[in-house]
Formats: sequence, C-alpha cells, structure tokens
Amino acid sequence: DVKVTQSSRYLVKRTGEKVFLECVQDMDHENMFWYRQDPGLGLRLIYFSYDVKMKEKGDIPEGYSVSREKKERFSLILESASTNQTSMYLCASSLWTLTMNTEAFFGQGTRLTVV
Amino acid sequence: AQKVTQAQTEISVVEKEDVTLDCVYETRDTTYYLFWYKQPPSGELVFLIRRNSFDEQNEISGRYSWNFQKSTSSFNFTITASQVVDSAVYFCALRGGGTSYGKLTFGQGTILTVHP
Repeated sequence: DVKVTQSSRYLVKRTGEKVFLECVQDMDHENMFWYRQDPGLGLRLIYFSYDVKMKEKGDIPEGYSVSREKKERFSLILESASTNQTSMYLCASSLWTLTMNTEAFFGQGTRLTVV
Repeated sequence: AQKVTQAQTEISVVEKEDVTLDCVYETRDTTYYLFWYKQPPSGELVFLIRRNSFDEQNEISGRYSWNFQKSTSSFNFTITASQVVDSAVYFCALRGGGTSYGKLTFGQGTILTVHP
C-alpha cells in the first residue's frame, strides 16, 4: 500500500516564523509535489521535484521553497510565514513513467494557520 | 496553459438520488490524462479513476460511472443511488503529456452532500 505521510495534521505558527512541512513516501516514487488547497480555488501546485535535489516551481511558488535531499522526503519551507499562507497543504507522489499516466498518491494534508 | 472547470461548487441530494458532477477541461496537448479524486472529511485525496485522451470508452465501477467526451472536452462523473458515505469534495484533474513530470491541474472541486 502506497503511503504518503505528512508530519503534522494541524499547525499554528506566528507571522514571520520559518515553517517546515515534511512529507515522506514509502514507494520509491521519483515525483513529489506540494499543493495548496483553498476553498473555491481547488488545489494549486507550489513546487514539485522529479529527482533528488531537483526542483521546479509550480504555479504559486512565491513565499515558499523546497528541499529534497533524499528520494523519499520532500520538505516545503515557508521562509517567513504570513497570514495569507494560512491554508491546507497537500503532499503527493507519483511514479515516473514515459507516458506519465500513473495516478498521484496524496498525504492526509496539513492545515496550517498563521496568526 | 491547461485549465479544468467544475461548474458546480456545491450539490445537495437526498440518499438514493442519482447525481452528476460536471468537469470541462482545456489543453493544447494531444495526449493527456484525466483523473477524478474524492476527498472525504479526513482530508486525504483518494484516487477514483484515470482516463487517457485516446480512450473514449465510458467506464462503470459499481455505482460510479464516467462519461468522457473529447468533442466537448468533458469528463463527467455520475453516482447512481447516492449514499451518505458519498459525501465528500470531488476533484477533476488534468495531466498533460510530454515533460509535465506528472503535474496535475485541478478543478475547483465540487462539495457533494448526501442527506439521509
């Protein structure tokens, strides 16, 4: 069973804090993703990684960075948290195939509140 | 640019009613993949179905069925005889071919509430 595990279900942080969201997958997937979910906007891609130490910006990377030092772990970093980063954050992973036709597997989400 | 639109923000039905969730997509890719995910209150997105752009066969899985029509760029999802356990947020998503590295473009989501 594929498992994508996010380190926290709920987080409350103060404005200006540096925040780390951790994600681990156990299926040796090459691709990993961080999405942000907001009501009425669906899921929007923040960053993704297709290999260790490789990262690409998604649609809304501003205010975020990522780290992938090991294949199974993908971290999302909020350099200086702001209230507009209050949201649900979802990590996902997928297998790399030539046709890219495999589904992504998601973690349970981290609901971050910045006060 | 790719885009997915789910016209219904919220749907409310009574148990045993049939319900259809609409999904319309835009892409310039000739090869692409469409997905439906379910997000129950627990928060984790659960994969329901994948459809390739070159396979327009409709699919039925138990009470769930999907209608893919390339001519109208739609990939609609029908739940027959809905149950309370179907209450969730449903997302339609699109992945382009080529070097997309598996990135998904999601619709806004449809909140389905099934009342007993």
